Amino acid sequence: KAGVTQTPRYLIKTRGQQVTLSCSPISGHRSVSWYQQTPGQGLQFLFEYFSETQRNKGNFPGRFSGRQFSNSRSEMNVSTLELGDSALYLCASSFSGELEAFFGQGTRLTVV
Amino acid sequence: QKEVEQNSGPLSVPEGAIASLNCTYSDRGSQSFFWYRQYSGKSPELIMSIYSNGDKEDGRFTAQLNKASQYVSLLIRDSQPSDSATYLCAVSAGNNDMRFGAGTRLTVKP
Repeated sequence: KAGVTQTPRYLIKTRGQQVTLSCSPISGHRSVSWYQQTPGQGLQFLFEYFSETQRNKGNFPGRFSGRQFSNSRSEMNVSTLELGDSALYLCASSFSGELEAFFGQGTRLTVV
Repeated sequence: QKEVEQNSGPLSVPEGAIASLNCTYSDRGSQSFFWYRQYSGKSPELIMSIYSNGDKEDGRFTAQLNKASQYVSLLIRDSQPSDSATYLCAVSAGNNDMRFGAGTRLTVKP
């Protein structure tokens, strides 16, 4: 059974640009959550999608947005990148959102 | 007050010993509790989930939950050097977001 797939694995962007990250969940999982991980802040919850609807959102500025498609694949977008956005972005899929979540390998974003 | 608190460590134990990792949470409505292991440079890997008070054992791992005390712990018996990693406690209050502690770095010395 395939795991959670995130693409791309690495990205380098310059300040002011925008970026789109992709996450394909485990087959049959309808919930996708996104997290930002930095050494100083740990794992911070961005948002969760279930059946194409955002059900919950963390405390991040509006520059961070996401969506989910009918096949449960999800994308997150960060606009007007700042240096502080450099982080490992992780997505996790689960069957329902409250049960066990499984992480992808992550996308490491570097903003220069 | 942080929602999920863990001792950042580092926690160092000798090979073969029991490693005890602790986590407290602030939301009394929390219903689901998880332990993840994260090796350096890798993504978190789910190792245990627990939903009701008491102990849950899986191989060398035992998760303990006490909802009255808002406390969850992970015991690793017969610790191995390969257990050296950061252990993340995660808590869900059933509102579709999972909150993570900052993690405890465990080192198992041969």
